[in-house]
Amino acid sequence: KAGVTQTPRYLIKTRGQQVTLSCSPISGHRSVSWYQQTPGQGLQFLFEYFSETQRNKGNFPGRFSGRQFSNSRSEMNVSTLELGDSALYLCASSIDRGRSTEAFFGQGTRLTVV
Amino acid sequence: GNSVTQMEGPVTLSEEAFLTINCTYTATGYPSLFWYVQYPGEGLQLLLKATKADDKGSNKGFEATYRKETTSFHLEKGSVQVSDSAVYFCALSEADSGYALNFGKGTSLLVTP
Repeated sequence: KAGVTQTPRYLIKTRGQQVTLSCSPISGHRSVSWYQQTPGQGLQFLFEYFSETQRNKGNFPGRFSGRQFSNSRSEMNVSTLELGDSALYLCASSIDRGRSTEAFFGQGTRLTVV
Repeated sequence: GNSVTQMEGPVTLSEEAFLTINCTYTATGYPSLFWYVQYPGEGLQLLLKATKADDKGSNKGFEATYRKETTSFHLEKGSVQVSDSAVYFCALSEADSGYALNFGKGTSLLVTP
């Protein structure tokens, strides 16, 4: 079956702009999580959505937001972009969450803020 | 909170050499432990996992044992191949943090012919 699809793969934005990234999970997966990957901070958890509700949130400012639609597709939005927001944004989907639940990752969206 | 510490890379090995990548963790409860691998230009793939103490996860010749007494989950492979060149991430998840994956910094592995 198809894997996790993230679009677009690459983005270049200017400081102060906003951006929306999209994630289509594996069919049947209802949980979608977002992670930010940077050389300095590594992989950091942003938030998780399940059945259109944010179920968990990492330690990021309010400029980072997300949503999930009824078909489980998810979007994340970053407003008022800063240079430090340049990163690889990874989406992961899973059937649900729990001790042994496997998360499947997309290839990511590479965001560059100039 | 919880945290994961793994050895800094890069690690460079010759083909067929033995691999060990160290990983230790701190957690408030009883975490599940994972190793993920990231090949160049790709997302993360689950390599193996263990959900309770003394469990051994294994896949593609890689192994790791959940050691509660030493809070460790070291990754090993007896004979690495060039195709194993990638970045390896140790991670944990537990109920106290809503099962969000908490990753180590990653260890870059380069295997030369």
